[in-house]
Amino acid sequence: DVKVTQSSRYLVKRTGEKVFLECVQDMDHENMFWYRQDPGLGLRLIYFSYDVKMKEKGDIPEGYSVSREKKERFSLILESASTNQTSMYLCASSRLGGYTFGSGTRLTVV
Amino acid sequence: GIQVEQSPPDLILQEGANSTLRCNFSDSVNNLQWFHQNPWGQLINLFYIPSGTKQNGRLSATTVATERYSLLYISSSQTTDSGVYFCAVDGNYGGATNKLIFGTGTLLAVQP
Repeated sequence: DVKVTQSSRYLVKRTGEKVFLECVQDMDHENMFWYRQDPGLGLRLIYFSYDVKMKEKGDIPEGYSVSREKKERFSLILESASTNQTSMYLCASSRLGGYTFGSGTRLTVV
Repeated sequence: GIQVEQSPPDLILQEGANSTLRCNFSDSVNNLQWFHQNPWGQLINLFYIPSGTKQNGRLSATTVATERYSLLYISSSQTTDSGVYFCAVDGNYGGATNKLIFGTGTLLAVQP
C-alpha cells in the first residue's frame, strides 16, 4: 500500500513564526498536493507539484510556499504564520488519478 | 472554476438503513472520486468513477457525466460508515496533473 506520511499530527505555533509541514510518500508518485480543510469549506488546494522542483499554485496559495527537492518529499511552508492559517492540513500523492492522503496535521496558530 | 455541490449536508441513520448521497458538478470532468473521511481524519478513496457504475461490498456509485451528477449508495449501514463523504472532481485545467476540486461533504452519523 502507498503510504503518505505527515511529520506531525498536531502543531501549535505562534503568530509570525515560520512553519514547515513535511510530507513523504513511498511509492514514487509524480504528483503531490497540499490541501487545507476547514469546517463548511471542504478541502481547498493550496499548492501542488508534478515533478521535482516543479510547483504550481492552487486555489488559495497566499501566505504559503512549497518545496520539492526530492521526488518523495513535499514541504509546505508558512512564511509568517497567522491565526487565519489555523486549520487541518492534508498532503496527498497521486499517479493516474488515484489519490492517497496522509493522516493530516492539525495546526493551531496562537 | 468548477463548482461541486453535495447533498444532504448532514444525515443521521439507524444501523441497517440505506442511504443515497448526491454530488452535482457544474462542468464536464475527466475524473470523479468519492472519499470517506473517518472520525480520526483519515481520507480513504472509495471510488474512481468518471462515468458508469461501480460496486464495492455495501457501497456503490453511479456517475452520469452527461447530466453532471454522481450518486453514492450505502446499503445496510454500519456504525463504521460514520464520517464525512466527499465528492471530488478533476478541474480539467489541462496539463499532466489531476487536480481534484472537493465538495463540502456530507456528514453521516450511523447510530446503533
